Amino acid sequence: GAVVSQHPSWVICKSGTSVKIECRSLDFQATTMFWYRQFPKQSLMLMATSNEGSKATYEQGVEKDKFLINHASLTLSTLTVTSAHPEDSSFYICSAKHSQKNYEAFFGQGTRLTVV
Amino acid sequence: QKEVEQNSGPLSVPEGAIASLNCTYSDRGSQSFFWYRQYSGKSPELIMFIYSNGDKEDGRFTAQLNKASQYVSLLIRDSQPSDSATYLCAVKVGAADSGYALNFGKGTSLLVTP
Repeated sequence: GAVVSQHPSWVICKSGTSVKIECRSLDFQATTMFWYRQFPKQSLMLMATSNEGSKATYEQGVEKDKFLINHASLTLSTLTVTSAHPEDSSFYICSAKHSQKNYEAFFGQGTRLTVV
Repeated sequence: QKEVEQNSGPLSVPEGAIASLNCTYSDRGSQSFFWYRQYSGKSPELIMFIYSNGDKEDGRFTAQLNKASQYVSLLIRDSQPSDSATYLCAVKVGAADSGYALNFGKGTSLLVTP
């Protein structure tokens, strides 16, 4: 159990367009999900905390109007990169908190975004 | 900015040897520590977590925590070529009921040579 599915695994988009990434908890409910970004040879950096039914909490330096997060159900959070630019190209990873397994967060498989 | 520091490596060890990976953290109030393994292009996989000072063993892996020195390490015994990956040290941030957001180090690249 405790599977987190992220879709798509990779996406290429044109500069100026928007891309939506989905994060689903398949076999558990996740009131809280987290979105990370990882540039090559860099650490995972927390972008925002997504809470079901409420507004996301963004980390300092992350533009909330550019990275739109929606957590409309207990099993789905979406991250939309709006007006994407080449510098947004990165590996985006979500994780979900399992309500009954408090010792770890479960990660999705990640989404490789390339903006051309 | 609360930091998690790791030597980027690469750390090269021969097959069968012990690999020792180190991590320091700046937030003295940190309580929960995690080691993840990440293969290139993949998301992190949890290896171990540790809360208490001392050693915690799980199979070939041993995590060591010294809160006074703000230091956590991971030992991998009988290293295998399949252990070659980047190892990420992570520290939980936020309050106990705030979920499990993690502050990651940049990772140490481990290469186990046959």
